[in-house]
Amino acid sequence: NAGVIQTPRHKVTGKGQEATLWCEPISGHSAVFWYRQTIVQGLEFLTYFRNQAPIDDSGMPKERFSAQMPNQSHSTLKIQSTQPQDSAVYLCASSSDRNTLYFGAGTRLSVL
Amino acid sequence: QQKVQQSPESLIVPEGGMASLNCTSSDRNVDYFWWYRQHSGKSPKMLMSIFSNGEKEEGRFTVHLNKASLHTSLHIRDSQPSDSALYLCAARNYGSSGNKLIFGIGTLLSVKP
Repeated sequence: NAGVIQTPRHKVTGKGQEATLWCEPISGHSAVFWYRQTIVQGLEFLTYFRNQAPIDDSGMPKERFSAQMPNQSHSTLKIQSTQPQDSAVYLCASSSDRNTLYFGAGTRLSVL
Repeated sequence: QQKVQQSPESLIVPEGGMASLNCTSSDRNVDYFWWYRQHSGKSPKMLMSIFSNGEKEEGRFTVHLNKASLHTSLHIRDSQPSDSALYLCAARNYGSSGNKLIFGIGTLLSVKP
């Protein structure tokens, strides 16, 4: 079991560019979560899917952020027109029905 | 304002000492709690979970939960330098949108040899 796989590990974008982050959950896990971590805000919930269906996106900045889960083996988080305040570590996690989250290594996004 | 509040923000204990970390949820729609540990440059990893009132012990680690006050605490005895990390408390919010974990900002523990 390779755990949750996130790619890329680091991404640098210019202001206004698009960034796409990828996540492969643990096989057999029914839920996939996206979080964002910064020093100031800590670990912030963004969105989650259960059995590929979007359940709660209450943490997503509405205009520029979107997430999809086209199949059970991967999810993407897309940020359009990136801004410096989007700089953070984006963490993907998956869980089975017991709710314990297993995190990937994260993608460090730097917006210049 | 953080709905899951942790204290202290940082803590220094000597090797072999006891570390005590606290966590309270101001969100009443929570039921289960987890403690995660995050070493520098790494992702959070689940340390312990507690779902019922009372105490749970695993090795050097003990967690307490008081569901009435939505307060949990983590105690680490015989602390080791390898315990130095950010400790994150998480509470499961069972709102109408389904279940999600809400995290506190964390307590940064430093164990000095």
